[in-house]
Amino acid sequence: ETGVTQSPTHLIKTRGQQVTLRCSSQSGHNTVSWYQQALGQGPQFIFQYYREEENGRGNFPPRFSGLQFPNYSSELNVNALELDDSALYLCASRPRGGITDTQYFGPGTRLTVL
Amino acid sequence: SQQGEEDPQALSIQEGENATMNCSYKTSINNLQWYRQNSGRGLVHLILIRSNEREKHSGRLRVTLDTSKKSSSLLITASRAADTASYFCATVTNSGNTPLVFGKGTRLSVIA
Repeated sequence: ETGVTQSPTHLIKTRGQQVTLRCSSQSGHNTVSWYQQALGQGPQFIFQYYREEENGRGNFPPRFSGLQFPNYSSELNVNALELDDSALYLCASRPRGGITDTQYFGPGTRLTVL
Repeated sequence: SQQGEEDPQALSIQEGENATMNCSYKTSINNLQWYRQNSGRGLVHLILIRSNEREKHSGRLRVTLDTSKKSSSLLITASRAADTASYFCATVTNSGNTPLVFGKGTRLSVIA
């Protein structure tokens, strides 16, 4: 139990739609990262937020965007969904100030795009 | 892009045996971490080893790191059916701010 929760657990969308995934981090964890994990692959870094500002981004297009809120919750938004966006989306949080590089993962949201 | 490559991709052993998984990576790192994932759910942190460390233990887990070969291994001793999961290595380039870069994982099956 990492104390990180995600919603919803599963989601089905059609191509072209928009989706919002949510994550609630542990109290005091002010760094949150989002990862995309395609079937049979390792997680790929999407972006990271620190103190409500994006401060790192992987090789993902601008239609992937995020928000982080003062209450340690965050969102991942994906516009204009494509079939290849079907994946498990994981959020991970860390304590403030990068005290540790260990990240605490939520259970993930499985997104299916038809 | 993937940094690490785990080997083997899949491993099947009997309960009580030891399981060894290997990870190779491409660039210099600050630390390397191993995570476990059960049935496509969230990842659980197992152990972190820093670039100036060569070996680390945690319960039934033993991790080694060879920075000259850019490789690491994870040994699980006296495996149990509950150890059945996918195991991923993940590297961190600069401590404090850079993301985890994962390999593709090793799928471990422990047969009772």
